Amino acid sequence: GAGVSQSPSNKVTEKGKDVELRCDPISGHTALYWYRQSLGQGLEFLIYFQGNSAPDKSGLPSDRFSAERTGGSVSTLTIQRTQQEDSAVYLCASSLGGGASSYEQYFGPGTRLTVT
Amino acid sequence: GNSVTQMEGPVTLSEEAFLTINCTYTATGYPSLFWYVQYPGEGLQLLLKATKADDKGSNKGFEATYRKETTSFHLEKGSVQVSDSAVYFCALLGSARQLTFGSGTQLTVLP
Repeated sequence: GAGVSQSPSNKVTEKGKDVELRCDPISGHTALYWYRQSLGQGLEFLIYFQGNSAPDKSGLPSDRFSAERTGGSVSTLTIQRTQQEDSAVYLCASSLGGGASSYEQYFGPGTRLTVT
Repeated sequence: GNSVTQMEGPVTLSEEAFLTINCTYTATGYPSLFWYVQYPGEGLQLLLKATKADDKGSNKGFEATYRKETTSFHLEKGSVQVSDSAVYFCALLGSARQLTFGSGTQLTVLP
C-alpha cells in the first residue's frame, strides 16, 4: 500500500517568508509525527498528533512553528517568518497508534527546506 | 530526559567484515529501542526493534540485543556488503511516544 507522502519534496524560500509543508499519513494510522533533520542538530522531534487528542507540541522550537491535522488525516506544518536556521529536512511519520510502545513509525521521504 | 549516544562515524569497512555500531541510552521507565537506516537519497527505514529487556531484534542479517543492565542496544552484522552502506540511527521510544535519536553513524563498505 501507499506509504507516507510529503510535499513539496524541495522548497526554497526567502528569509522572512511563510512556508507550508504537507504530510499524508498511511491510511488508517491514527498517530502522526513531525521531525526535523539538520546538520547541526541531528534528528529532532517537533510535534505529535494522536487521534482527536490535543497535540504534543513540546518539540516546536519557537512560536513561528505551528501544525494542524485536519480530519485526523492530512497534516500541515507551517513556519512563519522563516529564518536561515530553519533550513533542514522536515520528516513526517505515522503509526497505527500512540498507545503501544511497539507501534512502528513509518517515515515519509521528507521536505528539504532551504531558506536564503 | 531521554537521550541516545551513538558511536561516532564515519565507519569504513571492507566487504565481508564484521560490523558493530555502539549505542547506549538514558531513559526513565521501559523504552522500546530501534535501529533505523537511511540509504543514500532515501528516507528513514526501520531496520529492527526490541521492546523489552533481553529481546533481540534482527533483520537482513543485522542484530541488536536490548541490554537493560548496560543500557545498550549495539548493532551487529557478521558480514557486511557494499549495499549496506548507509547512515544508521539508534532511537528510543519512551512514554511520551516521540522517538529520540542518536546522532547517526555513516557506514561505507568497500568492495
